[in-house]
Amino acid sequence: EADIYQTPRYLVIGTGKKITLECSQTMGHDKMYWYQQDPGMELHLIHYSYGVNSTEKGDLSSESTVSRIRTEHFPLTLESARPSHTSQYLCASSGGYLRAYGYTFGSGTRLTVV
Amino acid sequence: GNSVTQMEGPVTLSEEAFLTINCTYTATGYPSLFWYVQYPGEGLQLLLKATKADDKGSNKGFEATYRKETTSFHLEKGSVQVSDSAVYFCALTAYNQAGTALIFGKGTTLSVSS
Repeated sequence: EADIYQTPRYLVIGTGKKITLECSQTMGHDKMYWYQQDPGMELHLIHYSYGVNSTEKGDLSSESTVSRIRTEHFPLTLESARPSHTSQYLCASSGGYLRAYGYTFGSGTRLTVV
Repeated sequence: GNSVTQMEGPVTLSEEAFLTINCTYTATGYPSLFWYVQYPGEGLQLLLKATKADDKGSNKGFEATYRKETTSFHLEKGSVQVSDSAVYFCALTAYNQAGTALIFGKGTTLSVSS
């Protein structure tokens, strides 16, 4: 049973549209992350959050934005989608003891911009 | 800096063959080490972990031993099945601008045929 949920699983959308990818977790984790996965399967950290009202950009520059108004919710928004945004987006969370438990990942959203 | 290096794939095996996926790391301090698995169309799932030197993590027939002297955490399975076909990621805990985070290797694709 997944404790971190991403919706939608698949999304095909036209260029220029605004989209929001949803991520919610029920574990009360403070830290949440967004990764972009390239076709070669490599993971790139694009955003992270330490808690409510905390958001930071990751290693890979991204035109997306995130918000963290509630502990359980960490949505990612693209104001104007482009074909270059086509990718798999993975959300993850971690609790207080990362060394012991690692991350819990959602099932991902596969975004296609046409 | 902290990094993880995995053997490049794809790795192609016949059912019941022995599997080794090499993982070496560079890290300061004493990281925890993880293997994650990603099945087609899914997010990453924790496969096994080790938190200190000489620990052996195991799960579903997979094993990996934390070798500090060789800075390695190679994944092994004695007899692979078609259902093991997936992408495998090695990861370690590290301190970076995100605080304590997981650093992932680039992933190794395993394809098992019957």
